[in-house]
Amino acid sequence: AQSVAQPEDQVNVAEGNPLTVKCTYSVSGNPYLFWYVQYPNRGLQFLLKYITGDNLVKGSYGFEAEFNKSQTSFHLKKPSALVSDSALYFCAVRDPLSGGYNKLIFGAGTRLAVHP
Amino acid sequence: DAGVIQSPRHEVTEMGQEVTLRCKPISGHDYLFWYRQTMMRGLELLIYFNNNVPIDDSGMPEDRFSAKMPNASFSTLKIQPSEPRDSAVYFCASSPGREGGKLFFGEGSRLTVL
Repeated sequence: AQSVAQPEDQVNVAEGNPLTVKCTYSVSGNPYLFWYVQYPNRGLQFLLKYITGDNLVKGSYGFEAEFNKSQTSFHLKKPSALVSDSALYFCAVRDPLSGGYNKLIFGAGTRLAVHP
Repeated sequence: DAGVIQSPRHEVTEMGQEVTLRCKPISGHDYLFWYRQTMMRGLELLIYFNNNVPIDDSGMPEDRFSAKMPNASFSTLKIQPSEPRDSAVYFCASSPGREGGKLFFGEGSRLTVL
């Protein structure tokens, strides 16, 4: 079955330190991978996506993600965390069995808490 | 750009009542998705449309749930009759097909069924 896994329910980081939010995927064929962020009482917002090309993808708000095919991972990273980065982060993969339609399968989410 | 517009933002109703949630997608987007978010089950895809046609409704939990998209600028998700376990935040999202999976979410409709 196509899926993504986010192994950490919560990640705690001190402001100014680098952050990593982990995601692994299980997809047949070439994956289309995404990161979304959800702030309290808001809808999800797109951060970045990987379809093909460079393994390091840059996105909004200074975030980037590294695609690693051998480890089937797509970890979200930021060199220096801000308190305002505190939110719920979702990894997602486009379902290749949806026949080319834009059906996304989301992970369970990881709560990022950045402490001053 | 107005973004995806959902109404109502909050709905409190009693068990057995009919609930209708509404969504206006971003103009020009040819995909529309309905998701449900709860603490226990996370984010679940209920149904999605492409060019107003339902493509996959396998996530619709029961016959009590129905969704329509009568035109490109409007969709509804209806629950009849509602039950307390339907309490959740319901999100509508739209996407232009050319963006390959980039979804634009509305602010959500928080439903509480007493």
